[in-house]
Amino acid sequence: GQNIDQPTEMTATEGAIVQINCTYQTSGFNGLFWYQQHAGEAPTFLSYNVLDGLEEKGRFSSFLSRSKGYSYLLLKELQMKDSASYLCAVSPGGYQKVTFGIGTKLQVIP
Amino acid sequence: DTGVSQNPRHKITKRGQNVTFRCDPISEHNRLYWYRQTLGQGPEFLTYFQNEAQLEKSRLLSDRFSAERPKGSFSTLEIQRTEQGDSAMYLCASSGTRDRGYGYTFGSGTRLTVV
Repeated sequence: GQNIDQPTEMTATEGAIVQINCTYQTSGFNGLFWYQQHAGEAPTFLSYNVLDGLEEKGRFSSFLSRSKGYSYLLLKELQMKDSASYLCAVSPGGYQKVTFGIGTKLQVIP
Repeated sequence: DTGVSQNPRHKITKRGQNVTFRCDPISEHNRLYWYRQTLGQGPEFLTYFQNEAQLEKSRLLSDRFSAERPKGSFSTLEIQRTEQGDSAMYLCASSGTRDRGYGYTFGSGTRLTVV
C-alpha cells in the first residue's frame, strides 16, 4: 500500500521562502508529483521528480531522495496568491495511478 | 487544447436520487481517472480508464457507483440511490504525455451535495 505524510498547515510571510516536506512509503515508485490547489478549485500540476535531486522551475523547486522516501517543495519570494493547499502525490508504477497525500494548507501573510 | 471539461459544476440532489456526471478529457490523452475529494482531504482514487477499458475500480466504489468511457472519449460517472456520505467534489483527470511523467490535468470538478 501507499502512505504519504505531509504537514497539514503552514504559515509564511510574503516575500519569504517556505519548504513543504513530504515523506512516503510505497510498494513501488515511479515518480513523485506536487500539485497546487486553491480553495474550491481543482489541483494543478507543479512538478514531477523521478530521479534524486532538485528540479527548479521559476520560484518553485522540488527535491527528491528516493532512498529516504522524502521530498520537499520549496517556494521562494512568496506572494499572497501562493496561499493554497499543496498536494504531494506518488505514482507507484504500472499504469501511473497516483496516490495523494492529505495536502498542506499554506497561508501567506503580509 | 481546451483542457479537461466537467459537467455540471455543481449538483444538489435529494437522498435516494440518481446523478450522472460527465468528463471530457484532453483529446489526445488516452488515460482518464476519477477521484473524489472531501474537505480537508487529498483526492481519493475511484477508477481508471485506458481508452475505453476500465482497468481498475477502487473498493471505495460501492455497487451504487458505475463509470463508463464509450469509444475511449468522454466518460460518465453515475451514482445511484445517493446518500449524504456521497457529498464531495468529484474530480476527473486525464494524462497521456510522458514528459511530465504522465502527470494529471484535472477538470474543474463537480461538487455534489446530497440533502
